[in-house]
Amino acid sequence: AQSVTQLDSHVSVSEGTPVLLRCNYSSSYSPSLFWYVQHPNKGLQLLLKYTSAATLVKGINGFEAEFKKSETSFHLTKPSAHMSDAAEYFCVVSARAQKLVFGQGTRLTINP
Amino acid sequence: GAGVSQSPSNKVTEKGKDVELRCDPISGHTALYWYRQSLGQGLEFLIYFQGNSAPDKSGLPSDRFSAERTGGSVSTLTIQRTQQEDSAVYLCASTYSGDTQYFGPGTRLTVL
Repeated sequence: AQSVTQLDSHVSVSEGTPVLLRCNYSSSYSPSLFWYVQHPNKGLQLLLKYTSAATLVKGINGFEAEFKKSETSFHLTKPSAHMSDAAEYFCVVSARAQKLVFGQGTRLTINP
Repeated sequence: GAGVSQSPSNKVTEKGKDVELRCDPISGHTALYWYRQSLGQGLEFLIYFQGNSAPDKSGLPSDRFSAERTGGSVSTLTIQRTQQEDSAVYLCASTYSGDTQYFGPGTRLTVL
């Protein structure tokens, strides 16, 4: 079975500093992995996805993630946080029939 | 183009009443998914429709939950005899092929 674990329920950074949101996955086959973002009272928006091409995936708004099979990790990073990045972030793995399995989410707070 | 739309955006109902939640997928998308987002359970898969195939109902939490998709487009999620634990945000997503699912804004259901 596929699963993801987001290692931090809450991350707080200062504006202009790097962001790191951690995710480990478990999959019985080569997974498809995603990061989605959810702003308050908004729907889920796809940030980026990994589907067995390049291991470093670039997404929208300056985010990127690196797939590391040896560590079963898919951490999300951004070099410089912006106030508009404050949101809930979900690491997601695609299971059979593309059913998505979500992590518990990481709430990102940006301090001015 | 238009994204996934859901209605109503908010629904307040009394315990024991039936409710219907509607999802309009992106035009041309063949697959449609329902998920539930609740405080205690996070985001969880409910049901999946692919073309004319029988739906995958493996995520439905009880037989009070049902869904249909008419004409391969609009879908309705019905909850009968609502309970307080059904309070959640119900999210719909659609996709044409591959993994990327596009989410609607959700319906927030409150059962009093």
